[in-house]
Amino acid sequence: KAGVTQTPRYLIKTRGQQVTLSCSPISGHRSVSWYQQTPGQGLQFLFEYFSETQRNKGNFPGRFSGRQFSNSRSEMNVSTLELGDSALYLCASSSSGGSGNEQFFGPGTRLTVL
Amino acid sequence: GQNIDQPTEMTATEGAIVQINCTYQTSGFNGLFWYQQHAGEAPTFLSYNVLDGLEEKGRFSSFLSRSKGYSYLLLKELQMKDSASYLCAVTTGGGTYKYIFGTGTRLKVLA
Repeated sequence: KAGVTQTPRYLIKTRGQQVTLSCSPISGHRSVSWYQQTPGQGLQFLFEYFSETQRNKGNFPGRFSGRQFSNSRSEMNVSTLELGDSALYLCASSSSGGSGNEQFFGPGTRLTVL
Repeated sequence: GQNIDQPTEMTATEGAIVQINCTYQTSGFNGLFWYQQHAGEAPTFLSYNVLDGLEEKGRFSSFLSRSKGYSYLLLKELQMKDSASYLCAVTTGGGTYKYIFGTGTRLKVLA
């Protein structure tokens, strides 16, 4: 079974631009979660999608948004980029998204904002 | 508030045993996960505890005390490849749960 894939793996943008990141979950997984990982803060939960609906949201500004498609693939968008948005963005999929389901992480997209 | 505390860094010797502690204060608790993350790689699942007690999986064991808001990950017979970050994560909430991660413990295994 193929793992979680994320594209692109690396991105360099400048302040004020916007960016879209993509995540393809493991086949059959319907829940996709997004995280921001920085050295000082660890993994911060952004949002979770299940069956095309945002089911849960972390404490990030509205510049961070996402969506999920009918094939469970998910995209995350960050508008008006700031220097502090430089981070590794990880997506994780799980079968049903229940609290006891382990999450399978993708390799991440490393975003650098200049 | 939601808070998960882990030591930032630990060092141990190959062949030894190391215990990585995690304390949490969260509004609600469903379960506790441990993940391993090697540098530059994605986190991978190690263990899940929902009830109090010890869960053993080969060289790795995880313990949970819900009343104390405390967990530990025990790694035995340390190997060089165990050098990684270990992330403690709590799931909270009712129908819609959230994962809350600690900042991770970076473990260095020395020869």
